Amino acid sequence: DAGVTQSPTHLIKTRGQQVTLRCSPISGHKSVSWYQQVLGQGPQFIFQYYEKEERGRGNFPDRFSARQFPNYSSELNVNALLLGDSALYLCASSLSPTDYEQYFGPGTRLTVT
Amino acid sequence: AQSVTQLDSQVPVFEEAPVELRCNYSSSVSVYLFWYVQYPNQGLQLLLKYLSGSTLVESINGFEAEFNKSQTSFHLRKPSVHISDTAEYFCAVSPYNFNKFYFGSGTKLNVKP
Repeated sequence: DAGVTQSPTHLIKTRGQQVTLRCSPISGHKSVSWYQQVLGQGPQFIFQYYEKEERGRGNFPDRFSARQFPNYSSELNVNALLLGDSALYLCASSLSPTDYEQYFGPGTRLTVT
Repeated sequence: AQSVTQLDSQVPVFEEAPVELRCNYSSSVSVYLFWYVQYPNQGLQLLLKYLSGSTLVESINGFEAEFNKSQTSFHLRKPSVHISDTAEYFCAVSPYNFNKFYFGSGTKLNVKP
């Protein structure tokens, strides 16, 4: 079975632009979480979605939003990009929100110039 | 609120030597504890976890961690490291409902021949 996949692998955006990152969970997994990993730091929780509903939100501004589709894939949107949004964005999937076994994707490296 | 502290950002060690990677946490609620590993150019992988029961937990590749509630610590140890253990290790905690994971800033283990 394929693991968690994320697209694109890398992208470069300019300040003020908007970006959409995509994640496909492992087949059968219904919960998706998003994390931001700034260089030199650990991942920071952004969102968790389950059955298309937001189950948890980290301490991120409203410029960050996400959604989950009926096939359980997910998108993370970031508006009005700032230089500080440059990071590796990780997606993780699990069977359910209460399943501690999270499987991480390889991430999308976002660079904001 | 929860937070995780990994005091050592880098740990150099010679092959076959013992190693300890330190992790301390603070939390206002009961949490589960995890260690994740990130090998070069790979995604995060769950190494081991403490949910309940014995405070000493082990991984399949010889690592172990001990939950110390009084010291709010979950240090990771291995009696004899291999070159292949070179990676970045992240300690994480999650409240019992698993809807958020909080990661430390990571410790880079560099095993030298």
